[in-house]
Amino acid sequence: DTGVSQDPRHKITKRGQNVTFRCDPISEHNRLYWYRQTLGQGPEFLTYFQNEAQLEKSRLLSDRFSAERPKGSFSTLEIQRTEQGDSAMYLCASSHYTGMGETQYFGPGTRLLVL
Amino acid sequence: AQKITQTQPGMFVQEKEAVTLDCTYDTSDQSYGLFWYKQPSSGEMIFLIYQGSYDEQNATEGRYSLNFQKARKSANLVISASQLGDSAMYFCAMREGKNYGQNFVFGPGTRLSVLP
Repeated sequence: DTGVSQDPRHKITKRGQNVTFRCDPISEHNRLYWYRQTLGQGPEFLTYFQNEAQLEKSRLLSDRFSAERPKGSFSTLEIQRTEQGDSAMYLCASSHYTGMGETQYFGPGTRLLVL
Repeated sequence: AQKITQTQPGMFVQEKEAVTLDCTYDTSDQSYGLFWYKQPSSGEMIFLIYQGSYDEQNATEGRYSLNFQKARKSANLVISASQLGDSAMYFCAMREGKNYGQNFVFGPGTRLSVLP
């Protein structure tokens, strides 16, 4: 399967712990997006990369959140000092941007529960 | 102000009938893109259809078509010949901004239930 993959699929952690999620995009997709989705809501944009450059970061993203895409392939999203409000589904999407339209393809998500 | 409005929290449709899911958007950009995604209960987001702001023809993909009315800033999704497997959450989304600093915004979604 050559779709977007995310690891882990589920994570339970205690408040105050750090967590890291990984996303592997579709091969040769130059853009990679991170979203957060809470129950009953649409996805909320967090940040995105074009190749290894982080081009946009949501103002809603606190400094406890950091994302990297060091070689322009996979990406990691780290949440430091987790809070119960961080409990959500974290979605990754990738796209091949050519300057015209782009379509994002989503991974299965990582469901985070902070106790 | 809401960038994407989906006024129908839930919709019901009889199997084999057509259904329209509403979406209105708000942007001051001239260049933008509109998307519809389906999210079944299993959780994965599935791309359905895309409409560019400069596209003159309404987008179509199989049983899905997008009724794009630019002046009214609406991008309604039409599903023809509904199937039981169409039961899911449907999200309208917009990409706006220039090449860099683009922003994707999703609406709150509409839950579609297809009745046998």
